[in-house]
Amino acid sequence: QLQLQESGPGLVKSSETLSLTCTVSGDSVSSSSYYWGWIRQPPGKGLEWIGIIYYTGNTYYNPSLKSRVTISVDTSKNQFSLKLRSVTAADTAVYYCAREVSSSDGYDIWGQGTMVTVSS
Amino acid sequence: QSVLTQPPSASGTPGQRVIISCSGSGSNIGSNAVNWYQQLPGTAPKLLIYDNNQRPSGVPDRFSGSKSGTSASLAISGLQSEDEADYYCAAWDDSLNGYWVFGGGAKLTVL
Repeated sequence: QLQLQESGPGLVKSSETLSLTCTVSGDSVSSSSYYWGWIRQPPGKGLEWIGIIYYTGNTYYNPSLKSRVTISVDTSKNQFSLKLRSVTAADTAVYYCAREVSSSDGYDIWGQGTMVTVSS
Repeated sequence: QSVLTQPPSASGTPGQRVIISCSGSGSNIGSNAVNWYQQLPGTAPKLLIYDNNQRPSGVPDRFSGSKSGTSASLAISGLQSEDEADYYCAAWDDSLNGYWVFGGGAKLTVL
């Protein structure tokens, strides 16, 4: 059964880099059928799309975060990762990784999410 | 400020039909399919409707989606207490090299 699991520090200091990894089991990040993405949700607020990556390394990012975000894929470990630089308190959120079937079919599989708090 | 506009809340009594709207623009809903997600308290979002009106396996047919122009709607018929959740619409936006946009979410309360 396909599962996605986020991992990484739950606490990051302001101005530093947030780094998260999503481990995929039951499927391959090398599949040509899917994109792999990151979405976040600040406490008590709505969903915000961060970006996606294809197994070839092709990426798309949220324009509002693009200058600070890098998403990469490691096919040997069947993982993909998120780096968000120069974080502030506004980056405090639950971060989800998810599988995107297509722009029509949306995100069909989600990780459970991991809470990241940015401290000053 | 979300790119897609949803009412912040909706409510209904058990058995009723509730509709949640989602308004966008020509670069997102007007050009691309709409997806809907259900988020129960404390859990990850779940894909409820894809490609405007398609239900993933396991989603009851009480849930239906539609799209017209730059707006979309999610209808829930035969409302049940377990439907109490947050509902988000989403679409790909073709502007600025392309990116996903979400609605701000509608909290559905079953009275």
